[in-house]
Amino acid sequence: NAGVTQTPKFRILKIGQSMTLQCAQDMNHNYMYWYRQDPGMGLKLIYYSVGAGITDKGEVPNGYNVSRSTTEDFPLRLELAAPSQTSVYFCASSQDSPVLHFGNGTRLTVT
Amino acid sequence: DQQVKQNSPSLSVQEGRISILNCDYTNSMFDYFLWYKKYPAEGPTFLISISSIKDKNEDGRFTVFLNKSAKHLSLHIVPSQPGDSAVYFCAALTGANSKLTFGKGITLSVRP
Repeated sequence: NAGVTQTPKFRILKIGQSMTLQCAQDMNHNYMYWYRQDPGMGLKLIYYSVGAGITDKGEVPNGYNVSRSTTEDFPLRLELAAPSQTSVYFCASSQDSPVLHFGNGTRLTVT
Repeated sequence: DQQVKQNSPSLSVQEGRISILNCDYTNSMFDYFLWYKKYPAEGPTFLISISSIKDKNEDGRFTVFLNKSAKHLSLHIVPSQPGDSAVYFCAALTGANSKLTFGKGITLSVRP
């Protein structure tokens, strides 16, 4: 049971670099989400998607972009990395339910 | 402005005793509440939930109580076990959308 798979687990970026955080789910869930968790803080919603081809902004979307070309995949793109984007990023999915299934996260450091 | 507040950052209890984790909210439109548990280097996992039409929901050692008038909910773990040591997040949502609002989390340590 893979569930929600996130890659990479860790990444260090220099300021101004770009990268894509990958997220894939094998549960055929329609809803997918990207959250970030800063130290001592709760999870903040970056972007979400209610189905393939449909995405929308969450609470903290600035500096990020997403796409949802398939039901399974929901990549998160950072175009110009900034130190403020140092965080742990969690991808999650759900099927028309408030119960989210999370991946194990990507720890990103921007220096 | 935090709509879901977990004001105590940490809690330490003895194995076998009760753990009580508290959560307060400010948005009266919230009508569904969830608790998630998170171990280090893993994603949060769903633990238990409660609808605003109930005041109690129980699942094994875990019970969630909801006091709507006080805008307060609590998670009781009885008896506490060392494997319960984790960060616990309270989350809430309204029926109008499926986006959860999370609290900052409480780190529970259960001493053997």
